[in-house]
Amino acid sequence: NAGVTQTPKFRVLKTGQSMTLLCAQDMNHEYMYWYRQDPGMGLRLIHYSVGEGTTAKGEVPDGYNVSRLKKQNFLLGLESAAPSQTSVYFCASSYLPSRGRVADTQYFGPGTRLTVL
Amino acid sequence: AQKITQTQPGMFVQEKEAVTLDCTYDTSDQSYGLFWYKQPSSGEMIFLIYQGSYDEQNATEGRYSLNFQKARKSANLVISASQLGDSAMYFCAMREGTTGGGNKLTFGTGTQLKVEL
Repeated sequence: NAGVTQTPKFRVLKTGQSMTLLCAQDMNHEYMYWYRQDPGMGLRLIHYSVGEGTTAKGEVPDGYNVSRLKKQNFLLGLESAAPSQTSVYFCASSYLPSRGRVADTQYFGPGTRLTVL
Repeated sequence: AQKITQTQPGMFVQEKEAVTLDCTYDTSDQSYGLFWYKQPSSGEMIFLIYQGSYDEQNATEGRYSLNFQKARKSANLVISASQLGDSAMYFCAMREGTTGGGNKLTFGTGTQLKVEL
């Protein structure tokens, strides 16, 4: 199992450019998430999906869009990149949450380091 | 108010000694989950240990144990017999509620642990 994979690993954009980050998981997880990590702030949730075809906003959704057309993939889009979106982006996935370690745990991809100039 | 508080930005420990990383949380939910993740300098987020709010016993995973004190709302991570490879950033996180609102994690700001010879 590859677990959670993210492409690309690194990217440099100019202000105003667009791009899509791809997340894929092979664990048959229902839930998928996008987080961003900034220095000194821990991880913050951007958007999440509770199943194929459904998405919802997290804590910091502005400037991002997402799509979940297939259960195993979750795309994060930046339509017009801004320097404030310079960050490390993590994708994660989990089973339908319920009590217990297996159901509750989110597993993370390796991250994408994005720089917007 | 911060939902997850990690008051130790940095910690040092001698190799082979035990170390405790502090985490306090704030929630009004009865059902929640607490997690610790390790982030080495390579950047990936590695799941370490999980404690459910209804679990009566403290969680253990090898050299990691979670000192769960529900009344005090604390979930400290204890690493026994520290190794050089334990040097990393450690994040405490909480999942509130169960289904419907997603399985969203709230992260603390992290503790940077350095293991010395």
